[in-house]
Amino acid sequence: DTEVTQTPKHLVMGMTNKKSLKCEQHMGHRAMYWYKQKAKKPPELMFVYSYEKLSINESVPSRFSPECPNSSLLNLHLHALQPEDSALYLCASSLQGLGNDGYTFGSGTRLTVV
Amino acid sequence: AQSVTQLDSHVSVSEGTPVLLRCNYSSSYSPSLFWYVQHPNKGLQLLLKYTSAATLVKGINGFEAEFKKSETSFHLTKPSAHMSDAAEYFCVSDSNYQLIWGAGTKLIIKP
Repeated sequence: DTEVTQTPKHLVMGMTNKKSLKCEQHMGHRAMYWYKQKAKKPPELMFVYSYEKLSINESVPSRFSPECPNSSLLNLHLHALQPEDSALYLCASSLQGLGNDGYTFGSGTRLTVV
Repeated sequence: AQSVTQLDSHVSVSEGTPVLLRCNYSSSYSPSLFWYVQHPNKGLQLLLKYTSAATLVKGINGFEAEFKKSETSFHLTKPSAHMSDAAEYFCVSDSNYQLIWGAGTKLIIKP
């Protein structure tokens, strides 16, 4: 298995809703990442988990809450989002947290906040 | 600070002609460098990577890139463009736990 699987592919949520994005990989990668990508822009790093521990939080608002239940799974819990949070949310993984082995990206969840 | 500059926001070529997407980097050390491709409404796919081995790197779908330290460049090329190559291309450098992204180049293929 050489993929990062993200669910759902599309999500529409109201500003008072609570939802979760899920990411799964079975490549034995020990670093996992959440990125946010707005249209026509490169991805922006949100969170990094290394060996299931949060190692980087790029000053992301608390309405985004990451969780890494085990080495294969990564969740992003969403609560009280704003319309400007609408974006493509990408999950990625790498063998370790050093980056030079390349990152494998999922296809993303396209989130619309109404 | 490290940075990656993609010199063209858009590149338009005819099908069957060569492709050149330009990328310059700045780094205080020899970085790892990557090219990723993103088709419309899709995730990112790794095309190729340079990690201080051979300076000419071959990737998927006929793409290759050459690392030139003297020019701090990592340009992406393909001998003959195909319609399916139309996408956004990102040049990326690594910086421990983080990737430094170029702004992207949109490749347009004319029939």
